[in-house]
Amino acid sequence: RKEVEQDPGPFNVPEGATVAFNCTYSNSASQSFFWYRQDCRKEPKLLMSVYSSGNEDGRFTAQLNRASQYISLLIRDSKLSDSATYLCVVYTGGGNKLTFGTGTQLKVEL
Amino acid sequence: NAGVTQTPKFQVLKTGQSMTLQCAQDMNHEYMSWYRQDPGMGLRLIHYSVGAGITDQGEVPNGYNVSRSTTEDFPLRLLSAAPSQTSVYFCASSRQTGGGQPQHFGDGTRLSIL
Repeated sequence: RKEVEQDPGPFNVPEGATVAFNCTYSNSASQSFFWYRQDCRKEPKLLMSVYSSGNEDGRFTAQLNRASQYISLLIRDSKLSDSATYLCVVYTGGGNKLTFGTGTQLKVEL
Repeated sequence: NAGVTQTPKFQVLKTGQSMTLQCAQDMNHEYMSWYRQDPGMGLRLIHYSVGAGITDQGEVPNGYNVSRSTTEDFPLRLLSAAPSQTSVYFCASSRQTGGGQPQHFGDGTRLSIL
């Protein structure tokens, strides 16, 4: 089983739609969680950290469920500019070792 | 503010050649790392450094060497290039070690080994 698993997609949604991605992780000792965004042929960029109580940043909401070992990202009112690959990233200790999921591709269409 | 700078952006090598991928950051970050990204796989950690003079292996270190003589620079050396090392390489830095600090990535080096 992969340490971090994501549905690769693509998720094709119309502009204005709400879309949600899930990510599961296998190590119950995982400590920190992040969502990164990666545009085609570009470097990953931090979208948001994920806190135990859940957190929101504009149209983006991240949730953590430690009992079920998954994190989620909800995007409301999707924009064309949201089209990208969203990477789930988990930190499990040991220096600064991060484990990246393979990413979920989102395509927002007119 | 330059952030993390990688050179070159593109490189084609022949099998057996060696080369160095350069990475520099101007944010005074302690932690630096190298990842490779291949289709269908997440970013995989090659080597990392928690400070000048200190390096350690990541998940896929074979065929690569690193050194960290200064806080700013963290070059990655391919000793004898193999086709399996064809990939996109990202250098990243973060302010502190531990705690899963957000990473600042360079814009990548696309490397092809023929």
